[in-house]
Amino acid sequence: GQQLNQSPQSMFIQEGEDVSMNCTSSSIFNTWLWYKQDPGEGPVLLIALYKAGELTSNGRLTAQFGITRKDSFLNISASIPSDVGIYFCAVSNYGGSQGNLIFGKGTKLSVKP
Amino acid sequence: EAQVTQNPRYLITVTGKKLTVTCSQNMNHEYMSWYRQDPGLGLRQIYYSMNVEVTDKGDVPEGYKVSRKEKRNFPLILESPSPNQTSLYFCASRRGLAGRETQYFGPGTRLLVL
Repeated sequence: GQQLNQSPQSMFIQEGEDVSMNCTSSSIFNTWLWYKQDPGEGPVLLIALYKAGELTSNGRLTAQFGITRKDSFLNISASIPSDVGIYFCAVSNYGGSQGNLIFGKGTKLSVKP
Repeated sequence: EAQVTQNPRYLITVTGKKLTVTCSQNMNHEYMSWYRQDPGLGLRQIYYSMNVEVTDKGDVPEGYKVSRKEKRNFPLILESPSPNQTSLYFCASRRGLAGRETQYFGPGTRLLVL
């Protein structure tokens, strides 16, 4: 099946540092999403991107939908301990079964106080 | 409160003993889905349902069954569990079918098959 390449696989950073992670695909997708999974919980949507080239912010988080519709990045500025978790990118196209989400393998973020 | 609930949250069982993990949502969502999460593999879709009595296979359906008799419930059935089904399972739901709707996840069910 289709795959998303998400990198890095894991990150260990100091509190206050900025974080950057990205996601690429060999296929074009119309929707790119970023989810965060806190330890012991289900994933929660952080940012949704629907337009190629779109740059969207949510507090300290910024994500961009690549112009080729084959990639996206997520940046976290001034990290804090509660940023710890697994970040997943996900993609889909519109309509019917194409609305199924395909997930990347996740980036595990650890933040040292 | 709008939510997706799963039961049980933790389960230890033995090979071959049938089990059911329940999933319920109170948001009147048409779309529901089951995923399993394994280290290094991310979230993989097991089955999904676009509406009542409409179900279809995801990427890893082998060894699982589902049913959608009511809109709010989407149970996952393991008729004869095996150790390779030890995993963390998530149910999710979404309003509508298109990829533009936010998908909500349950809290997860951690299953250990001995």
